[in-house]
Amino acid sequence: SQQGEEDPQALSIQEGENATMNCSYKTSINNLQWYRQNSGRGLVHLILIRSNEREKHSGRLRVTLDTSKKSSSLLITASRAADTASYFCATPPRSGSTLGRLYFGRGTQLTVWP
Amino acid sequence: GAGVSQTPSNKVTEKGKYVELRCDPISGHTALYWYRQSLGQGPEFLIYFQGTGAADDSGLPNDRFFAVRPEGSVSTLKIQRTERGDSAVYLCASSSTGDEQFFGPGTRLTVL
Repeated sequence: SQQGEEDPQALSIQEGENATMNCSYKTSINNLQWYRQNSGRGLVHLILIRSNEREKHSGRLRVTLDTSKKSSSLLITASRAADTASYFCATPPRSGSTLGRLYFGRGTQLTVWP
Repeated sequence: GAGVSQTPSNKVTEKGKYVELRCDPISGHTALYWYRQSLGQGPEFLIYFQGTGAADDSGLPNDRFFAVRPEGSVSTLKIQRTERGDSAVYLCASSSTGDEQFFGPGTRLTVL
């Protein structure tokens, strides 16, 4: 079964607006990662947040993590048409594990209209 | 190389045939992963190598699937007696730290 689930499944916005995607997961983790995928091919790592962090920024990206609610959010500010892609959250299977598999959700398909 | 490469980029085969998919990880990355992604789904873990050995192969769906990494670098995913349900994008990733995984562009397998 999948560890993480993104919400919403699809999001459509205008350029310049902010996009917020959420991820819920089931078990304790030591980190949570967000990836982006264009056109159903290779994934690109965006940001990693560790379990002892609550918020992290990278350029126009802001990620939050609430371990008590087992949830994370990804905010893209001032979105651009080039941000159109699928976004996935991913977690290792259990707290303390490293160098192992990642569990991915089904992703949020973001469409940014010019 | 600069990133993870996978060959072929597309593979069309007939039901019952044997296929091999190749992955060249980033030089020096000891961890290598195979995932499979069906349309509208997230990547699904297949197998993970640490060096030459398979550290976790619990994601392989059945014994028609096998993967090797004989020298701890290039890996080959082998699928015997392909079935239409095997059609998917097969993704390879590598990592050195165990945190961020670097993905290749994938191989789109179509079984007719």
